Amino acid sequence: GAVVSQHPSRVICKSGTSVKIECRSLDFQATTMFWYRQFPKQSLMLMATSNEGSKATYEQGVEKDKFLINHASLTLSTLTVTSAHPEDSSFYICSAYLTRSTDTQYFGPGTRLTVL
Amino acid sequence: EDQVTQSPEALRLQEGESSSLNCSYTVSGLRGLFWYRQDPGKGPEFLFTLYSAGEEKEKERLKATLTKKESFLHITAPKPEDSATYLCAVEDDKLIFGTGTRLQVFP
Repeated sequence: GAVVSQHPSRVICKSGTSVKIECRSLDFQATTMFWYRQFPKQSLMLMATSNEGSKATYEQGVEKDKFLINHASLTLSTLTVTSAHPEDSSFYICSAYLTRSTDTQYFGPGTRLTVL
Repeated sequence: EDQVTQSPEALRLQEGESSSLNCSYTVSGLRGLFWYRQDPGKGPEFLFTLYSAGEEKEKERLKATLTKKESFLHITAPKPEDSATYLCAVEDDKLIFGTGTRLQVFP
């Protein structure tokens, strides 16, 4: 089946530093990837849609200057949390469509970010 | 406003005790209803996609059904390894998730 990987799986950083999270599609090409955030016992919330070769589309209320998204190839999207603060601590999950003709998103294993 | 509500929030079952999870939704233009399983600290694992009322899909002990207003995930004779949070999501122009049902199956 479709495999989406994320790296790192867990990261702890100091307040004010930047953190980069990678999302890779391992056995398929993904022109569109999605970034979600999930707080404890809450639902997944879409942050942004990442399109290969173009600018990401951010959901309302998500700061594009704080959450930088780059989708430089058909198998890699990155999310950089800039000047991280404790309130950015969360579980970040990416997803991708298997092919252009499907509307099923396959999710990565997630990245736990803790900002001290 | 598009909305997804799942019930119950938590469910404890004895091994072999069948039950159903509910997902009620309001969406302006349903493109699909999705069920995922999420284990603690992991990303959601795809289970089913349903597109139209009356549609049913099965996988092992799980069966998903869809009406115009809700979907059910039926679990038949569950085992402890079925313990997880089950997420429902609807797609309009994006995926909108419910908060999930946390299922615990005891031996």
